Amino acid sequence: EAQVTQNPRYLITVTGKKLTVTCSQNMNHEYMSWYRQDPGLGLRQIYYSMNVEVTDKGDVPEGYKVSRKEKRNFPLILESPSPNQTSLYFCASSVAGDNQPQHFGDGTRLSIL
Amino acid sequence: GQNIDQPTEMTATEGAIVQINCTYQTSGFNGLFWYQQHAGEAPTFLSYNVLDGLEEKGRFSSFLSRSKGYSYLLLKELQMKDSASYLCAVTLSGGSYIPTFGRGTSLIVHP
Repeated sequence: EAQVTQNPRYLITVTGKKLTVTCSQNMNHEYMSWYRQDPGLGLRQIYYSMNVEVTDKGDVPEGYKVSRKEKRNFPLILESPSPNQTSLYFCASSVAGDNQPQHFGDGTRLSIL
Repeated sequence: GQNIDQPTEMTATEGAIVQINCTYQTSGFNGLFWYQQHAGEAPTFLSYNVLDGLEEKGRFSSFLSRSKGYSYLLLKELQMKDSASYLCAVTLSGGSYIPTFGRGTSLIVHP
């Protein structure tokens, strides 16, 4: 089954404790991206990648890192999480091109205490 | 920069028709997506418009006017399961083609 898989789905942790949210897709998609979704603010792009070893900042990259060592994986790293990074996070992937819809993972709800 | 505006919330009656508007101001517009997102779930693709005009897909239609920076999503014969958020997203020409989203419109369908 074609899918985007995020792990974990839920995480409660404390300020400053490094964490990684994994994202994997099995559709051989070139494009992958991370969004955070907050009430009243909608989906905001954190980072995106157009291919292996190619990553770019989105609208809200501060406090986050990403890597794209393999085509299928695009982990999101919070080196020193803070409470303002408490949010719902979505990973998405798509075929390269201007009319290609994004396929979203089921989301990861992070709470930073 | 980019600015994408949608109403925050709309309500409608089961069986009725509702139109959800989206206006955008961008430097170098390419195309516009509509996604549906049920509470607690991932967004799912509804439609894509790149040319002016109406694209019809069953009960859902999407319209685009590039000159006016305007789109709408038209939902006919509303059903209770259409209660969801509807997200407008634009892509830019010469860019990554990864869309930027508006804040979404929460649609509540009541009996």
